[in-house]
Amino acid sequence: QVQLVESGGGVVQPGRSLRLSCAASGFTFRSDAMHWVRQAPGKGLEWLAFISYDGSVKYYADSVKVRFTISRDNFKKTVYLQMNSLRPEDTAVYYCAKDRATTYTWDYWGQGTLVTVSS
Amino acid sequence: QSALTQPASVSGSPGQSITISCSGTSNDIGGYNYVSWYQQYPGKAPKLMIYGVSNRPSGVSYRFSGSKSANTASLTISGLQSEDEGDYYCTSWTSSSTWVFGGGTKLTVL
Repeated sequence: QVQLVESGGGVVQPGRSLRLSCAASGFTFRSDAMHWVRQAPGKGLEWLAFISYDGSVKYYADSVKVRFTISRDNFKKTVYLQMNSLRPEDTAVYYCAKDRATTYTWDYWGQGTLVTVSS
Repeated sequence: QSALTQPASVSGSPGQSITISCSGTSNDIGGYNYVSWYQQYPGKAPKLMIYGVSNRPSGVSYRFSGSKSANTASLTISGLQSEDEGDYYCTSWTSSSTWVFGGGTKLTVL
């Protein structure tokens, strides 16, 4: 079965960096695009970033495109989110999600990893 | 890209039908048939309920249906059940090559 397991969350000071990982299994990872989505405590969902199956195409939300970078390693079946210059408003649960091909949506999600930006 | 507009809350009694609206613009909902709906329980990851405006993934109850008119999409849940209580989010692909979510709607089953 499809599994997505995020890791790398934790408490970080404002202005510092953090890299999240999402390990995938149960599907042909190299064939599927991937996304990151976040949810601030008590708030709604916010799409952050997309990466194509081969890493050649990337899209970002305006709110993070200067500070965050999505990447992937198809050999390790892992997608990453490098987050720089973190701000308190980046505090959220970060989910990775598998793209549902040709439908512009997501069919599987990880359990999420919490990032807290605080001094 | 501004968020799509959803009502903050809706409620209904068991067996009734409810509809959640999701308003956008011609740059998102109105321009593409790429509207999806997600159900989320507290502390859990979202679950895909509707994709491509009106398509149900395998395993999703027939009681869930989606539609779209101009710049507004809708999710209808018929025969409301207690297990339907939770948060619902709409999302759409946009002309900026991004995705945008609605603010979410809390469904209460009375």
